[in-house]
Amino acid sequence: EAEVAQSPRYKITEKSQAVAFWCDPISGHATLYWYRQILGQGPELLVQFQDESVVDDSQLPKDRFSAERLKGVDSTLKIQPAELGDSAMYLCASSLVGRGTYEQYFGPGTRLTVT
Amino acid sequence: GQQVMQIPQYQHVQEGEDFTTYCNSSTTLSNIQWYKQRPGGHPVFLIQLVKSGEVKKQKRLTFQFGEAKKNSSLHITATQTTDVGTYFCAGRRSQGNLIFGKGTKLSVKP
Repeated sequence: EAEVAQSPRYKITEKSQAVAFWCDPISGHATLYWYRQILGQGPELLVQFQDESVVDDSQLPKDRFSAERLKGVDSTLKIQPAELGDSAMYLCASSLVGRGTYEQYFGPGTRLTVT
Repeated sequence: GQQVMQIPQYQHVQEGEDFTTYCNSSTTLSNIQWYKQRPGGHPVFLIQLVKSGEVKKQKRLTFQFGEAKKNSSLHITATQTTDVGTYFCAGRRSQGNLIFGKGTKLSVKP
């Protein structure tokens, strides 16, 4: 069964450093999402891509976060500089747009700890 | 902004007891999805409800969507230890983005 791949699975960094997360969605999924999940909370959408275009980044802290999906396949989320409050699980999800359902398939996530 | 509220936050049950989690939105939803996240895992899609008053069943799980499409519930009959995890509802706005609730964390005592 196809899965969403993410790397790294765990990342520890010091505040003010730069970090980057990578996501490879399920083949053929045009829509890709980056979520942030704080412990004990539900996932919060950071950015949504349709192919290579950003369709929603209203909740992305653009002063420090950036995301790209240059060829409309895999994607990178970057934080620079990292702050203590960025410690969370970063989840990538993908979905097959155009079908009746828009179920999202989540990757295993990257757990970020900022010290 | 639009919020999706979910209660209770935690539920502890004895194995074999029933469990229900409720989801409420401040605005009408186009549809609602339910996800399960096992401890240490990632959210896994369970089901989607689209129609007003819709009821769907998956074995011991029953999902309902309210008539006004502002609330939903998930009911598990005779819980098992394999049901342990956090259950999230996620409401979709007309523009297509999902808003996740904070989840209900279910623990089952054998």
